[in-house]
Amino acid sequence: GEDVEQSLFLSVREGDSSVINCTYTDSSSTYLYWYKQEPGAGLQLLTYIFSNMDMKQDQRLTVLLNKKDKHLSLRIADTQTGDSAIYFCAESTLGSGTYKYIFGTGTRLKVLA
Amino acid sequence: GAGVSQTPSNKVTEKGKYVELRCDPISGHTALYWYRQSLGQGPEFLIYFQGTGAADDSGLPNDRFFAVRPEGSVSTLKIQRTERGDSAVYLCASSLVVAGGPDTGELFFGEGSRLTVL
Repeated sequence: GEDVEQSLFLSVREGDSSVINCTYTDSSSTYLYWYKQEPGAGLQLLTYIFSNMDMKQDQRLTVLLNKKDKHLSLRIADTQTGDSAIYFCAESTLGSGTYKYIFGTGTRLKVLA
Repeated sequence: GAGVSQTPSNKVTEKGKYVELRCDPISGHTALYWYRQSLGQGPEFLIYFQGTGAADDSGLPNDRFFAVRPEGSVSTLKIQRTERGDSAVYLCASSLVVAGGPDTGELFFGEGSRLTVL
C-alpha cells in the first residue's frame, strides 16, 4: 500500500535554513503537499507541487521533488522561532479517480533562538 | 464561521460506550474527509465523502466505526462500543475537489475532536 515516511525531529538555529525530507511509495501520486501543524491547531497547507514539476519556490519555502527516487524536500530559508511546528508531507492521486490523501508521520521542527 | 468546525473539541468516555463526533465543513465544499491522529503520528485516513455518498471508506478500522453525511454538508462519525485504542484526535477536513477537476485539492482541516476512552 501507499506509505509516506519522514524523519521525526529536526533542530536548527534561528536564521539558518531547515531542510525537511520525505519519501513516498505511490508512483501514481499527482500532487505532493507540505502541511504545518502548530500545537493544538489543525493542519494548514504550506505549499504543494504537481508531480510533473521538480521545483517550486514560494517566498522562504523551496520544494524539491525527485520523482525517480520518490523523494520530496521542503527547505525553509532564514528559519524563525515561529516556524517551530510539526511538518507533514502528504501525497494524493487527484485526477486518477481516487482522492485519498496519505500523510507522513510528521517532522517536529524546533528552532533555537 | 468560515472554517471547518468540529464538535466536541474534547470527549472523555468509558470503554464500551457509543460516541458521535460532528464535522461542519466549509460551505460549498463537496468533499469531506475524516482522519484519525494518534499521539506522535500523522493523520490516518478513515473515510472520504463526495457529496452525500462515502466514496472511499477503506480506512475505517472495523465495523464499530461508521460515518454519515445525509445532506452533503455536516458529517457525523459514529463509534460503537468504544475501546481504549480508539483514543486519538479525530480530524475532519473539507475540500472543493470534484472528480476530474483541475483543483489542487487543498484540504482545510478543523481543529479536531480529542477522544479519550477510559
